Amino acid sequence: GNSVTQMEGPVTLSEEAFLTINCTYTATGYPSLFWYVQYPGEGLQLLLKATKADDKGSNKGFEATYRKETTSFHLEKGSVQVSDSAVYFCALQYAGTALIFGKGTTLSVSS
Amino acid sequence: GAVVSQHPSRVICKSGTSVKIECRSLDFQATTMFWYRQFPKQSLMLMATSNEGSKATYEQGVEKDKFLINHASLTLSTLTVTSAHPEDSSFYICSALVGIEQPQHFGDGTRLSIL
Repeated sequence: GNSVTQMEGPVTLSEEAFLTINCTYTATGYPSLFWYVQYPGEGLQLLLKATKADDKGSNKGFEATYRKETTSFHLEKGSVQVSDSAVYFCALQYAGTALIFGKGTTLSVSS
Repeated sequence: GAVVSQHPSRVICKSGTSVKIECRSLDFQATTMFWYRQFPKQSLMLMATSNEGSKATYEQGVEKDKFLINHASLTLSTLTVTSAHPEDSSFYICSALVGIEQPQHFGDGTRLSIL
């Protein structure tokens, strides 16, 4: 079946460090791929998305590229801030259907 | 942008109580809404798909008589946890589809605690 696998956390970084959170997926066809962020005690916010192979989603300094050949959608940021501390979810979706989420990766950034 | 309002944000109640959670699309019509459940430090698991004017579609293992879903209008879906017990304590989040090719928009979630 369709699934999303994320790297286990927590990820602990110092401010201004480079961030990579790995995400791979198993799916048939061409789903859209997403990264969502969840701050403590809050709901989910869409961070970025990509809808087809080689698309790059970007927002707030975060980037991820839809790699069909490696079935990956790794999240990167060049310089993290304390305010980026949150749980990050990778997800896939076929048009009109529910999201399939990875287990989430907790990021903790210290100053 | 599309806004989804979920209410209440937090509920604490006694075992045996029924709890209703509302999910509203504020500035768009949503023919489809989804209900997810999130256990502490875990991912979101789809509970059911709510379609306006028809019965909800439940995921395997989700008791439809326990978790009643009503999607009576294009802007409102409700989830009622009937006769809630401590094991129903969780974070419930709804989302709404703006369009077939558009990302889902999430409510802020409801933290349900059953004593």
